[in-house]
Amino acid sequence: GENVEQHPSTLSVQEGDSAVIKCTYSDSASNYFPWYKQELGKRPQLIIDIRSNVGEKKDQRIAVTLNKTAKHFSLHITETQPEDSAVYFCAARRGRGSYKLIFGSGTRLLVRP
Amino acid sequence: NAGVTQTPKFRILKIGQSMTLQCAQDMNHNYMYWYRQDPGMGLKLIYYSVGAGITDKGEVPNGYNVSRSTTEDFPLRLELAAPSQTSVYFCASSGGDDRNEQYFGPGTRLTVT
Repeated sequence: GENVEQHPSTLSVQEGDSAVIKCTYSDSASNYFPWYKQELGKRPQLIIDIRSNVGEKKDQRIAVTLNKTAKHFSLHITETQPEDSAVYFCAARRGRGSYKLIFGSGTRLLVRP
Repeated sequence: NAGVTQTPKFRILKIGQSMTLQCAQDMNHNYMYWYRQDPGMGLKLIYYSVGAGITDKGEVPNGYNVSRSTTEDFPLRLELAAPSQTSVYFCASSGGDDRNEQYFGPGTRLTVT
């Protein structure tokens, strides 16, 4: 079955710096890759997603890149702010007709003021 | 809309006891999911449902049961609780459209002692 590995498990950056979180997936049939943000004690919420027919997607300070050949995708946060501190999860989903997401183990991001 | 709601918020069980975690959504979503999140870990899929009357196992179904008699409700039953079931349980739902964004409930924190 699908396996998603996520690195690093923790990441500490200075406010204003960039943060990059990387994920690899095993199932070449996966074609949808969302990222969720979970603040302390809160529920996960979708922040950005990308499909396999697109190499990069941006939304203000966050961007996601996908390399289908290498089967990895990354989350980039620029100009980090303290409110970006949270746990970030990547996930992968197989093609249409499959609604199950397989999640990575999460990255705890700390933005130091 | 209330979105996805879960009850209770917290529960302490003794080993061997049983309980039902309630989940409801008011978005008319066909797809519903149960995840568990162990401390510092990612989300593991327990069971999911693609519509009323249809359920299927996820990655970690042992020790749990579900039912889906209506579109709105998707209860998770724990029989003979064990300490290994100490976790935070999240219910989620999605509309089944092309993006199929999953919306999470606030979670139930369960401790089995």
